[in-house]
Amino acid sequence: GAVVSQHPSRVICKSGTSVKIECRSLDFQATTMFWYRQFPKQSLMLMATSNEGSKATYEQGVEKDKFLINHASLTLSTLTVTSAHPEDSSFYICSAAGVINYNSPLHFGNGTRLTVT
Amino acid sequence: GENVEQHPSTLSVQEGDSAVIKCTYSDSASNYFPWYKQELGKGPQLIIDIRSNVGEKKDQRIAVTLNKTAKHFSLHITETQPEDSAVYFCAANGRGGSQGNLIFGKGTKLSVKP
Repeated sequence: GAVVSQHPSRVICKSGTSVKIECRSLDFQATTMFWYRQFPKQSLMLMATSNEGSKATYEQGVEKDKFLINHASLTLSTLTVTSAHPEDSSFYICSAAGVINYNSPLHFGNGTRLTVT
Repeated sequence: GENVEQHPSTLSVQEGDSAVIKCTYSDSASNYFPWYKQELGKGPQLIIDIRSNVGEKKDQRIAVTLNKTAKHFSLHITETQPEDSAVYFCAANGRGGSQGNLIFGKGTKLSVKP
């Protein structure tokens, strides 16, 4: 089945630094990738939709200058948390689908646990 | 916008019993309803999905039912096993039916006691 790889799985960084998270589709071309954020014991909240070769679409309340998304190829999207602060500590998860149509389910990566100290 | 309600938030069953998780959605344009299983520290795994042109789908011990009129769908797990213990999320596609924009329920923590 479709595999989505996310790296790193865990990262600890100091306040003020930037962190890059990668999301790769391993066996299919992902025209669209989605980035979610999940707080402990809570549901997944969509942060942004990333389309290959174009600008990402951010959900209301998500700062685009804070969470930089790049989807430069059909197999890779990156999320960069810039000038991270402790409140950015969370579980970040990406998902990808080959073609957003009636028969295209979303598959998720295994997430990245970000801790900002 | 689209809203997905999920109940119960926690569910504890004895091994071998059945478990049922229910969700309701608000957007009548939603036509895709996946269920995900999330184990601790991992991303969600798709376990079953259903589209609006069918009322029921089954895959071994897992089944999902959909009532479009009432706008609710349910996950049924039969003969539960300890390895079924996890958090389960229902979802519905929002934004006028685009399958990519999933709106998730708040999750159900299922505990299966041996």
